[in-house]
Amino acid sequence: SYVLTQPPSISVAPGQTATITCGGDEIGIKTVHWYRQRSGQAPVRVIYNDHDRPSEIPERFSGSNSGNTATLTISRVEAGDEADYYCQVWDRRHDDYVFGGGTKVTVL
Amino acid sequence: QVQLRESGPGLVKPSETLSLVCSVSGYSISTGYFWGWLRQPPGKGLEWIASIFHSGSSSHSPSLNGRVTISVDTSKNHVSLTLESVTAADTAVYYCARHETAMGFDSWGQGTLVTVSS
Repeated sequence: SYVLTQPPSISVAPGQTATITCGGDEIGIKTVHWYRQRSGQAPVRVIYNDHDRPSEIPERFSGSNSGNTATLTISRVEAGDEADYYCQVWDRRHDDYVFGGGTKVTVL
Repeated sequence: QVQLRESGPGLVKPSETLSLVCSVSGYSISTGYFWGWLRQPPGKGLEWIASIFHSGSSSHSPSLNGRVTISVDTSKNHVSLTLESVTAADTAVYYCARHETAMGFDSWGQGTLVTVSS
């Protein structure tokens, strides 16, 4: 089955930039989506189709995808960005919706 | 605005069958999209379980070894999930969500905790 690899955790100071990676074999040819999950809440989509942002998500959130790595970037980090973030793709070969293990973002 | 709400038993005994219902409001399932079930064991990550289209076409995670059945009732505008022969490893918060391949899972229910214990 297809595997997505994320760093378990990152820490970032307020106002700085958080970069979350999602590694997978030739992930650049797949469509990647990203979700934010605050403690005790359901996930919320923050990026879809590699780099598109739902209207309700701030412009500070952006995504890219190339080669073997997809990236979620959060600019000008705020305390409210503290959450777990998950990447996700559809594995066409196995008809399987695959999630990365998640990255816990801590705002210092 | 679409809203999804999961309902279920809360507690299921080992080896029994878990049944969950996702009630959808603000959007007719017959209009389109896929409707999926996902879960999250305590302290762990997200796992996709199964999805269904309004026509009834469905798919499920290979890792669940055929224990899963998903169905749709367009007259009631809800999606159901059954999971057979549950064990403690099936203890999780279960979510339903609307999705498309190019859009991801764009709307989620609040989730329902299911505990498998005797």
